[in-house]
Amino acid sequence: AQTVTQSQPEMSVQEAETVTLSCTYDTSENNYYLFWYKQPPSRQMILVIRQEAYKQQNATENRFSVNFQKAAKSFSLKISDSQLGDTAMYFCAFDDNQGGKLIFGQGTELSVKP
Amino acid sequence: DGGITQSPKYLFRKEGQNVTLSCEQNLNHDAMYWYRQDPGQGLRLIYYSQIVNDFQKGDIAEGYSVSREKKESFPLTVTSAQKNPTAFYLCASSRENRVMRNTEAFFGQGTRLTVV
Repeated sequence: AQTVTQSQPEMSVQEAETVTLSCTYDTSENNYYLFWYKQPPSRQMILVIRQEAYKQQNATENRFSVNFQKAAKSFSLKISDSQLGDTAMYFCAFDDNQGGKLIFGQGTELSVKP
Repeated sequence: DGGITQSPKYLFRKEGQNVTLSCEQNLNHDAMYWYRQDPGQGLRLIYYSQIVNDFQKGDIAEGYSVSREKKESFPLTVTSAQKNPTAFYLCASSRENRVMRNTEAFFGQGTRLTVV
């Protein structure tokens, strides 16, 4: 069975600094999708960034970028120039390519401090 | 505006009672999902449905039931067999495109269920 592991339950970063959130996964599939979702205090889940496994280039969305290491099954999220509005729970998710079912990690609670 | 609507936002249930959580989407998405969120455990899949009149159990289906009679609607019933139902429940939907595999999921705002 596929699993997703986020080993950092909590992290904090100073405003304007850079922070990296870790995620590892386990699968025997070759083609799949990986996602980072953000859940602010409102509890609304928001897609941050998406990576397709067959693409070697790391995805980037403004201040958010990923470091996708397929052989190591690692998918970390880097947030540059952190802002107070980035304070949220961040979830790594894996699409197991078996019908669009998303598997989530345990989450990392990120606090951005002024 | 297109989106997913969950209702109610807060729900209280007495022990031994069944309760139904509503989830409606107007995104014309084929696939819909129910997740349960507990502190420190992330999101766990309860049930999912890829087409009308069909659904599959997720990782923690015991004590729950669903139906998918319409494309737009995927209600979740928490039965009295669910021993620890107090949790935050999230509904999601995605466009199931097997050619492009665009499986980005859109989420509702959640329902907080409390057993009293």
